[in-house]
Amino acid sequence: GNSVTQMEGPVTLSEEAFLTINCTYTATGYPSLFWYVQYPGEGLQLLLKATKADDKGSNKGFEATYRKETTSFHLEKGSVQVSDSAVYFCALKREGSQGNLIFGKGTKLSVKP
Amino acid sequence: KAGVTQTPRYLIKTRGQQVTLSCSPISGHRSVSWYQQTPGQGLQFLFEYFSETQRNKGNFPGRFSGRQFSNSRSEMNVSTLELGDSALYLCASSLNTGPYGYTFGSGTRLTVV
Repeated sequence: GNSVTQMEGPVTLSEEAFLTINCTYTATGYPSLFWYVQYPGEGLQLLLKATKADDKGSNKGFEATYRKETTSFHLEKGSVQVSDSAVYFCALKREGSQGNLIFGKGTKLSVKP
Repeated sequence: KAGVTQTPRYLIKTRGQQVTLSCSPISGHRSVSWYQQTPGQGLQFLFEYFSETQRNKGNFPGRFSGRQFSNSRSEMNVSTLELGDSALYLCASSLNTGPYGYTFGSGTRLTVV
């Protein structure tokens, strides 16, 4: 079946450190891939997405590249800020009109000043 | 542009009661999905509606139901509440079904006592 596996957290970094959160997926065909972020007490916000192989999604300094050959969509940021502290979710959506989002377990990121 | 609005934000119910949650999508969005978020199970898909028709359904018991109105607003109902139904219920809307990112509301926090 379809599934998403994320690295387990929590991840604790110092401000300005480099961030990588690993995400791999299992799916048939060509799913769309997403990263969502959830701040405390809030819903999910779409951070970035990629809809086909080799696409790079980017937003607010975050990047992720859709790697079909390794079935991965790792999230990276060159220099994290305290305000990036949140829970990050990797998700896939099957191709076709009836695919729902399938989420990973989430990775909690804490950035210390 | 108003976001996805979920009401109420917080709800406390007694075991055995029923509850109705409401979701108003972004204007123009015709697809509305519902997700349950718990610490143990993470984010799980409940159902998706598009133009008043249920397009997709997750693996939840029949006590969980939903509907969508002609103005795209959606409601979900849980009957005969159980303690395990305590969760954050998130609604998400999208322009259409397909590889579009979903915009999530802030959620309804349901506590069953």
